[in-house]
Amino acid sequence: QITLKESDPTLVKPTQTLTLTCTFSGFSLSTTGVGVGWIRQPPGEALQWLALIYWDDDKHYSPSLKSRLTITKDTSKNQVVLTMTNMDPVDTATYFCAHRGVRGRDYFDCWGQGTLVTVSS
Amino acid sequence: EIVLTQSPGTLSLSPGERATLSCRASQSVSSSYLAWYQQKPGQAPRLLIHGASNRATGIPDRFSGSGSGTDFTLTVSRLEPEDFAVYYCQQYGSSPLTFGGGTKVAIK
Repeated sequence: QITLKESDPTLVKPTQTLTLTCTFSGFSLSTTGVGVGWIRQPPGEALQWLALIYWDDDKHYSPSLKSRLTITKDTSKNQVVLTMTNMDPVDTATYFCAHRGVRGRDYFDCWGQGTLVTVSS
Repeated sequence: EIVLTQSPGTLSLSPGERATLSCRASQSVSSSYLAWYQQKPGQAPRLLIHGASNRATGIPDRFSGSGSGTDFTLTVSRLEPEDFAVYYCQQYGSSPLTFGGGTKVAIK
């Protein structure tokens, strides 16, 4: 059974750096074809894809946020970490991590519960 | 970047009725790499359909997906009370991955 869980909700100040951790079980990020992505959802708005890391350490980012994002993995800890620099109130959202589809394609077949990130001074 | 436009924004229907949701892409989606998700308030999205027409594990057969190229449809043949939710499409045929703006299926 695949499960994912994001780190606890957090309040960050404008210009600070956000660090989110996704801890997962039921799969290994060292297995060929596996990937973990981050997606966010501002309150009342649609989903927005942020980043995706693959088993071979290949990384893809949303072009609009690429300069601010870094995604890394720790295979031994079953964790994926997303950092986002220079946070702004418009970055207030629920952030989800999700497992890449089992057929090796970039849809998401299992999601964490999400964690609320609030950006405010 | 492929822009996905979902319509209608809100669909007001009664239990037992048929729901037809549209997802239109600004350019052709490679290999029909389109997924549909259901999201209820306060919950994470749940995968319903991948590859435009393949139901995910455990998804009831009242949910079906169709389409190719730039036009895709999610159909719920007979709405159950638990189907009232927001539905999103997502394309994964090209980078960056993109989601549609969502369709809310509301109780009439």
